Order: sequence, then structure tokens, then C-alpha cells
Amino acid sequence: DGGITQSPKYLFRKEGQNVTLSCEQNLNHDAMYWYRQDPGQGLRLIYYSQIVNDFQKGDIAEGYSVSREKKESFPLTVTSAQKNPTAFYLCASSPLGTSGTETQYFGPGTRLLVL
Amino acid sequence: GESVGLHLPTLSVQEGDNSIINCAYSNSASDYFIWYKQESGKGPQFIIDIRSNMDKRQGQRVTVLLNKTVKHLSLQIAATQPGDSAVYFCAESNAGNNRKLIWGLGTSLAVNP
Repeated sequence: DGGITQSPKYLFRKEGQNVTLSCEQNLNHDAMYWYRQDPGQGLRLIYYSQIVNDFQKGDIAEGYSVSREKKESFPLTVTSAQKNPTAFYLCASSPLGTSGTETQYFGPGTRLLVL
Repeated sequence: GESVGLHLPTLSVQEGDNSIINCAYSNSASDYFIWYKQESGKGPQFIIDIRSNMDKRQGQRVTVLLNKTVKHLSLQIAATQPGDSAVYFCAESNAGNNRKLIWGLGTSLAVNP
């Protein structure tokens, strides 16, 4: 899991509630990413950020929001607008190199369950 | 044992055999490819990557082969061990997609003792 931490490991959400998932990295990476993984499926990109105070929508951004106030931190909020939030959420980070795509390193994940 | 990631999502091999996990990619402009291993309940772990200016790259017990002509990528694991049991994902990217990785669906590898 390198220097990427995610908390909590499990999170329960009540209907209509917003919840925030934490992601912190001490790898001095510029880029950070949030993915959603459903059972037996691949990873789908929610949001990503390549620099502080800037982020872009991924493929499934609806119902989610992010912030990037610090290089080390990229929290994800699952809003009440996300009608099917139960999933495994993965945070990743990577350096930004001159050769193109750089390897992404992942945290241990947060499993979100709806009560 | 050998599999095609999208059509045979489960590969079962005997301990000590070599494993081959295959992946077909779609974008001929993709110039970076990467393999990850994901154990149950954990985040994906980087295994090996390869850029399009190469057709083979070797790591410790793993080899990645890239065939750009048919847009095919494979991961070979030598002397497969029980600890290799996991889901293996391939991902592709190109400089034009803002460094986003496009992920395959994954192949589950089961190692029988």
C-alpha cells in the first residue's frame, strides 16, 4: 500500500446522508485519483487531480465531490445524490513525469455500505 | 494455464506451473500498459509495466509481452505459487487521455496446491 492511507476501512451511510472518505499520501506525488470498484468488476474513475486546487471529473463523477486543498490529501464526499453508493472505493496517487503516464499506487480501500 | 481476460475470467493452475494471463486492448494509440494484482479486500498492487517501444519486459518471476500488431498484452508468471492467487488487471493509457488508465475487467487466478 506504499505511503497511501485511506480511512475508515468500513463506512456505513444512512439514506440521505453525505459521507466523506479520507485519502492521504506521503509520497510527494502530484496526482491523486479516486476509483470505484463494484463486486467482480474493474475500476472506474470518479475524480482525479494533478495539482493542488484543481481536479477533473472522471467517468462516473455524478453524486460525488472532491477537494484538493493540500498536496497530501484528496478527500472524496459521497453525496445523497449518489443513489447506489455501496462499493469499494480506492484512492491512488502517482508522480507526474515527462515520459507520459506514470505508475499509480493504491491505498488499501474503503468499503462503503448503506444502512 | 492460459486465459483470455475478457472471455475466461477465471484461470486455475497447479502450483509450480507457469500461468499466462491475457488482455486485449482497444486503443491503437495506447503507449503505456500496466499489470496490477489485487488480493481480496485490498487495493491493487503494481506488478510490472511496459511502454509501446518495447515488446517484452521481465521482472521477478513475471514477464509482460506486448504485441502491438494484434493489440494484445500478456502476463506470464513462472512457477506459480499459492500466494499468486488474486485478480489480475491490465490497464492501458496514452499521452492523449490525460494520464487516465483504462482498466480491463480482470482475470481471477486460482492456484491449486
